[in-house]
Amino acid sequence: NAGVTQTPKFRVLKTGQSMTLLCAQDMNHEYMYWYRQDPGMGLRLIHYSVGEGTTAKGEVPDGYNVSRLNKREFSFRLESAAPSQTSVYFCASSSVAHNEQFFGPGTRLTVL
Amino acid sequence: GQNIDQPTEMTATEGAIVQINCTYQTSGFNGLFWYQQHAGEAPTFLSYNVLDGLEEKGRFSSFLSRSKGYSYLLLKELQMKDSASYLCAVRDSNYQLIWGAGTKLIIKP
Repeated sequence: NAGVTQTPKFRVLKTGQSMTLLCAQDMNHEYMYWYRQDPGMGLRLIHYSVGEGTTAKGEVPDGYNVSRLNKREFSFRLESAAPSQTSVYFCASSSVAHNEQFFGPGTRLTVL
Repeated sequence: GQNIDQPTEMTATEGAIVQINCTYQTSGFNGLFWYQQHAGEAPTFLSYNVLDGLEEKGRFSSFLSRSKGYSYLLLKELQMKDSASYLCAVRDSNYQLIWGAGTKLIIKP
């Protein structure tokens, strides 16, 4: 039982480059989320999904796209990286909407 | 606007007790969560309060007062492994989670 997995753990991009992250959960959860975490700030919700084939915007969706591939997998794409997107990105899942969430290990992204 | 306030950093001694406070101003209230996050790792769930009062779970307890918009996390018999950031999050009337910036707890021997 791996819980929530996301890859890769670290990534460095140049401004304008693109990136895709893949998140998978094996807990049969309906809800999945992508967050960013910056120093001195709380976790901010980027996009989330309430079930297979659905996506919804969170607090800071601009510049990011997501796709709920199936019940297990939720992909995250950054089309054209900017230095302001340097952050740690976490995927999470829950069985009930915005209830106890299980987080992946995070991806530390640096945009040069 | 919606706001969660927590102290940025606290220091405590191994074996002691520490209380981490969280005050919130949100559009409605549908529960408050505490998470623990070790440096470089993912947050992990600690506790959930939706009714006023104290919830105890081993060495950790969480208290909620909805009328005061206030919660605290109480850690007893502190251990070095308790050195981490503690995140407070409130679920608002739209069932969206609003997160505090976290309190970094430093434990000294």
